[in-house]
Amino acid sequence: KAGVTQTPRYLIKTRGQQVTLSCSPISGHRSVSWYQQTPGQGLQFLFEYFSETQRNKGNFPGRFSGRQFSNSRSEMNVSTLELGDSALYLCASSFVAGNYEQYFGPGTRLTVT
Amino acid sequence: TQLLEQSPQFLSIQEGENLTVYCNSSSVFSSLQWYRQEPGEGPVLLVTVVTGGEVKKLKRLTFQFGDARKDSSLHITAAQPGDTGLYLCAGLNAGKSTFGDGTTLTVKP
Repeated sequence: KAGVTQTPRYLIKTRGQQVTLSCSPISGHRSVSWYQQTPGQGLQFLFEYFSETQRNKGNFPGRFSGRQFSNSRSEMNVSTLELGDSALYLCASSFVAGNYEQYFGPGTRLTVT
Repeated sequence: TQLLEQSPQFLSIQEGENLTVYCNSSSVFSSLQWYRQEPGEGPVLLVTVVTGGEVKKLKRLTFQFGDARKDSSLHITAAQPGDTGLYLCAGLNAGKSTFGDGTTLTVKP
């Protein structure tokens, strides 16, 4: 069974630009959660999608948004990038909603210059 | 805001030694998870504990959930270099995960 895949693996953007990250969950998994990991703040929950609906949301500004498609693939978008958005963005999939048994992808390393 | 504090932050030991990592909070969680993360990869779920006082064993790893479901510990017996990594605890409530800052473990051969 293929694991969670994230594309791209590495990305460099300039302040003010926007970025879209993609996540393909494990086959059969309908829940996708997104996390931001930084050395200073650790791993923080962004949002969770289940069956194309945002089910839960963390404490991040509206510049961070996401969506989920009918095939459970998910995208995350960050608009008006700031230097502080530089982080490892992780996606995790699970069969049921609620983060109970999550499988993480390798992440997308975003650098904002 | 629910916070999880892990200690120690860094731990460097010799192969064969035992160690314990702690995860503490003032909040009650419905369940608690432990993950291990290696460089360049995402976290891998090791265990989920649900009941206060629960103890789970996974080979050389022993996980305990506090009676009040506010804290947890991870004990590794006879550590091996392959145990090296970042250990993260995560508390779950209402479908949201709150992660601790992690313990970076280095096991030297």
